[in-house]
This record gives sequence, C-alpha cells and structure tokens, in this order.
Amino acid sequence: GENVEQHPSTLSVQEGDSAVIKCTYSDSASNYFPWYKQELGKRPQLIIDIRSNVGEKKDQRIAVTLNKTAKHFSLHITETQPEDSAVYFCVTFGSARQLTFGSGTQLTVLP
Amino acid sequence: GAVVSQHPSWVICKSGTSVKIECRSLDFQATTMFWYRQFPKQSLMLMATSNEGSKATYEQGVEKDKFLINHASLTLSTLTVTSAHPEDSSFYICSARARNLLNQPQHFGDGTRLSIL
Repeated sequence: GENVEQHPSTLSVQEGDSAVIKCTYSDSASNYFPWYKQELGKRPQLIIDIRSNVGEKKDQRIAVTLNKTAKHFSLHITETQPEDSAVYFCVTFGSARQLTFGSGTQLTVLP
Repeated sequence: GAVVSQHPSWVICKSGTSVKIECRSLDFQATTMFWYRQFPKQSLMLMATSNEGSKATYEQGVEKDKFLINHASLTLSTLTVTSAHPEDSSFYICSARARNLLNQPQHFGDGTRLSIL
C-alpha cells in the first residue's frame, strides 16, 4: 500500500518567518495531494491541494509544490501568524482510492 | 455544501459498555464512508471503509467484531464500539465520499472523543 513520510514532526518558527513541510510518497499512481490543518480536538480541514498535472499552486500565504518524478511534495507557509499553529498533514490519494495521511507536523508560531 | 455531521461529539462511559457513533452526510449522497481513529499526537489511521448496502472492509489489525460498521443508506453510517475498554479511548472521525466526488475526494465529520473509564 501507499506509504507517506512527512518531515519534520515538529517545527517552531518566529512570527513572520516561513515554514516548510516536506513529504514523500511511494504510490506512483497517486494523483491528488491535499494538505490538511488540524487544531486540537477538531476535524482536519483542507487548506490547499494540488493535482498531478500541476507542479505548483499558491493561495495567498500558502503554496504547495509537487515533483512527481521524485515523488515528493511540500507545503510552504509565508509570513506565519500565531493562528497558523496547528498540526499539518500531507495526504495522498492514489490507486487505493482513499486518503493516506502522513504522520503530521506540529507547527508552532512563536509571537 | 458537503457537510458531514457526526454525533456524539464526546462520550464518557464505563468499561464494558457499547457505544454507537453516527455519521451523516447532510446535503449529498455518500457512496463510501470511511472511519478513522486518532490517538493523541498521532496521525489519522483508517479503520474501515464501507459502501452503502455492503459489508465494511476493515484494515489489518482492526477487529471487525469489536468495531461494528453499518452503512444502511446513502446518508448514514454508524460505528459501534462493542464492550469498550480503556484502550479504545480515542478520537474517532468519519469521512464521506460523494457520488460525484464534488471537489474533494472525502469530507470529514467533526469527530467523536471517546473516553472509557
């Protein structure tokens, strides 16, 4: 089955700095790559996604990049704010037709 | 659109009790429902997948006799934790896939925090 590896597991940045989270996957048939943000005790919320025919996508302070050849994708958050503090999950959707979650990154934005 | 309602949001019960969690798609037909379990500081782990009118498919290591899943209609799936024990305490989240996929492959409920004393 699909294996999604996510790094780092924890990330602390100063407010205003950028944060980068990286993931690799194994299923070459994966064609949809969403990122979810989860606050404590709440459901995961989709913040941005990218499909396999696109290499980069940006939405205000959030951007994702995808390298299908190398099977890795990344989340970039610029100008971080305290409300960005949460757990972020990279996810793939591939041949199993279900979402496979990475292990998560606890992002802490220090004021 | 694409709202998934999950109830209850929080349950505390004694060891040995059975607990039922409901997951409803409010404004779309869910051909497939997914049930996840999330322990503190861990990722979401898929427990089982159910298609309307069919038996659920359980992931390796998940006891089907302990975690009973019913998907009797296109808008409702239930997870029953039978004879719950403290080690079953966790955050359970359902997710639904729409018939026409809408713009996301799965839509998540708000989760149920289950605490077994």
